[in-house]
Amino acid sequence: SQTIHQWPATLVQPVGSPLSLECTVEGTSNPNLYWYRQAAGRGLQLLFYSVGIGQISSEVPQNLSASRPQDRQFILSSKKLLLSDSGFYLCAWGPRGVKTQYFGPGTRLLVL
Amino acid sequence: QQQVKQSPQSLIVQKGGISIINCAYENTAFDYFPWYQQFPGKGPALLIAIRPDVSEKKEGRFTISFNKSAKQFSLHIMDSQPGDSATYFCAASDPTNFGNEKLTFGTGTRLTIIP
Repeated sequence: SQTIHQWPATLVQPVGSPLSLECTVEGTSNPNLYWYRQAAGRGLQLLFYSVGIGQISSEVPQNLSASRPQDRQFILSSKKLLLSDSGFYLCAWGPRGVKTQYFGPGTRLLVL
Repeated sequence: QQQVKQSPQSLIVQKGGISIINCAYENTAFDYFPWYQQFPGKGPALLIAIRPDVSEKKEGRFTISFNKSAKQFSLHIMDSQPGDSATYFCAASDPTNFGNEKLTFGTGTRLTIIP
């Protein structure tokens, strides 16, 4: 069966510090991968999606970036965090050619 | 045209009652409509999904009703239980994005089931 992992679960970072969030998927190959952000009490905002290694599409211009160095690894990064980057970051995967997406447990980021 | 409008924003239902959450869309090309359930501090979990070639899909106490002509779909939770208290999101898939299957999400409904 497929499993999606995210870490860390919780992160508190000062403004201006760098960020690296990691997502990995087990039990599947060549998945579509997605990064979402969810502000407190709000909906899901798609940030990035990837259909393959090194292939990243950005949905929202911001100070975040994403990379996919391996087939089942998706990384969300920032060089300098802003207060507005606080939120709940969710990684999701979907089988190629199938419309369903499966979400990870999320990372709660607080920028102070 | 990519929006999915969800209502109500919050809903309080008595235990044993029927919870109904509605979504409407504009893009007639949408061809897959899932519902997700999210508990506080957790990632959303796929609950049930429907395609536009059927008008209703039922899984246990959860039913999706789909009205293609009205461009609306809804989630019905029968015999609602306190454990159903969560935030529910509807979504729709854009088939023009072949290869990545992006989902457009509604804004969510916070459901509270009271004894």
